Amino acid sequence: KAGVTQTPRYLIKTRGQQVTLSCSPISGHRSVSWYQQTPGQGLQFLFEYFSETQRNKGNFPGRFSGRQFSNSRSEMNVSTLELGDSALYLCASRRGLGQAQETQYFGPGTRLLVL
Amino acid sequence: AQKITQTQPGMFVQEKEAVTLDCTYDTSDPSYGLFWYKQPSSGEMIFLIYQGSYDQQNATEGRYSLNFQKARKSANLVISASQLGDSAMYFCAMREGTGRRALTFGSGTRLQVQP
Repeated sequence: KAGVTQTPRYLIKTRGQQVTLSCSPISGHRSVSWYQQTPGQGLQFLFEYFSETQRNKGNFPGRFSGRQFSNSRSEMNVSTLELGDSALYLCASRRGLGQAQETQYFGPGTRLLVL
Repeated sequence: AQKITQTQPGMFVQEKEAVTLDCTYDTSDPSYGLFWYKQPSSGEMIFLIYQGSYDQQNATEGRYSLNFQKARKSANLVISASQLGDSAMYFCAMREGTGRRALTFGSGTRLQVQP
């Protein structure tokens, strides 16, 4: 069974640009979450989508947005990039939202560098 | 207050020896799940082991076991017979209450296995 895939793996952008990251979950998984990882702030939750609806949101500005398609694939968009947006962006999938005990599986991440 | 605390920023262990990575958590919810992930330098978060709050026995997965002490609110990861490939960052995470909550991560422990 294929794991979570993310594209692109690496990205270089300049301040003020926007970027779109893509995530394909494990087959049968309907929930997709996004996390930002930086050396200073660690792993921070961005948002989670289930059945094309945002179900949970972290404490990030509105420049960070996402969406989920009917095939459960998800995209994350960051507009008006800032230097501080340089980070590893991790996507994770799980079957559903039913239980706290459900394991989330992560993709390889997208490394974004903002110059 | 920190929900997940990992007090060991870095640890060294000799190959073939066992090592314990500490994790304490803070929650008032009776239902929660505790997870350990491994992150090699490539960036991907690899799921290792899970422990549910209602589980009576400590979880084990191959060389990984979780020393779950509910009263102390600790969930330490034990790696037996360390291998060079175990060198990585290790993160403890928790999801509280319902399945709708996001994972909360600790700051991680960098483990280096020496030959």
